[in-house]
Parts: sequence; C-alpha cells; structure tokens
Amino acid sequence: GAVVSQHPSWVICKSGTSVKIECRSLDFQATTMFWYRQFPKQSLMLMATSNEGSKATYEQGVEKDKFLINHASLTLSTLTVTSAHPEDSSFYICSPSPMGNQPQHFGDGTRLSIL
Amino acid sequence: SQQGEEDPQALSIQEGENATMNCSYKTSINNLQWYRQNSGRGLVHLILIRSNEREKHSGRLRVTLDTSKKSSSLLITASWAADTASYFCATTSGTYKYIFGTGTRLKVLA
Repeated sequence: GAVVSQHPSWVICKSGTSVKIECRSLDFQATTMFWYRQFPKQSLMLMATSNEGSKATYEQGVEKDKFLINHASLTLSTLTVTSAHPEDSSFYICSPSPMGNQPQHFGDGTRLSIL
Repeated sequence: SQQGEEDPQALSIQEGENATMNCSYKTSINNLQWYRQNSGRGLVHLILIRSNEREKHSGRLRVTLDTSKKSSSLLITASWAADTASYFCATTSGTYKYIFGTGTRLKVLA
C-alpha cells in the first residue's frame, strides 16, 4: 500500500492565488520531509528540506518567502506556493526521510498549473 | 545542482529486448536508488543498492554499482511495452538528501 499520501494531485488556478500542498507519511513518523520540483521532461530538483518543529532549509535559488513550508507534526508537512505565477507551474513531489537504510518513497506528486 | 548524469537520455527498443541505462555521479555515496516514473506520475522505487554492494537483482531488473568509477547501471531484461517510462538514479551521501540524475526516457515498442 501507499507509504506517502500527497494531496491534491492536480491544481489549476489563477495567477496570484496561493496553493497549499499536503504530504503525509502513512506508515511511519517522518522527522524530515523533502520537497522536490520537476519541470516537464526534466529531473527532480530538491527545493527544500523540512524538519519537524523547526524551520525548513532551502536550496540555493529557492525563495523561502515564495514557498512556505510547515512541518508541524511527524506525519504531515505542507508546502504553500504563495501568490503563484505561471512560472511556478510544475510538478511538486514530497518524500519523507526513510528509516535506517531503507528505500526512499515519494508521494504521487501535485501538478500545479497557474493560468 | 544535479549530481547524477544518465546515459542515454533516450532509448527506444523492441519488446523482448534488453534495456541498459547508466548513471554516473560525482561524490562518495552511501547508497544509490533507481526509480521509474510514468508520464505525469509519481516515482516508483525499483531497487536500492548500498555502497558496499556490487550487484542486486529484482525480477527482470539487475543493478550494478562500481564505486571506483562512480557509476551504476540498470538492466531491464525481456522488456515489455509497460516498461515504457523515465528512469532515474538518485544518490545520497548519508543525509537522506537524494540528488537525482538527469533520467533516461525508455520507449518499448510492441
């Protein structure tokens, strides 16, 4: 069964709208959650790492005020794309840190389309 | 920055043939994972290989790892049309922060 639940799977909204994406780890507690972004026909690029109860760490070039991350519990992390614009249209995928040397699983992704 | 480079970028084969994809990376790793992604979908985990392992099998999949060359290969034997997807390698140096390769787009023709 699914290990990671990501919601919503698809969002279409107008420019200027803020969009929240939820990511839940189902079978285990995730102290760390990774958020990736993937543009068409490209690979996944790590955006930020969120840690439960503390501030997220953002990769170079990713605006922390644009992509707000909250990791309030061990099973839920959220990514909010604030005042989204067409260039933010992308596929966003979350992944909780695995336990030990276990495989890393990913959510099914959220396709964000900004008109 | 992306750490892994995959080769080839695209591969087209006939059903029943074998498909081989290669991944090279730049720094020491703790483990390497291979994933499949169907168009517009999430990632499906295929195989994890640790830095002290040289080869792993899972069904029709065979993964090799050569840490001296900083490279890995994924072999899909007797491919099916359903194997059509993009394949990515991802590496970590132990922080669980995975860096993905550029990916190989595989097309298996029926």
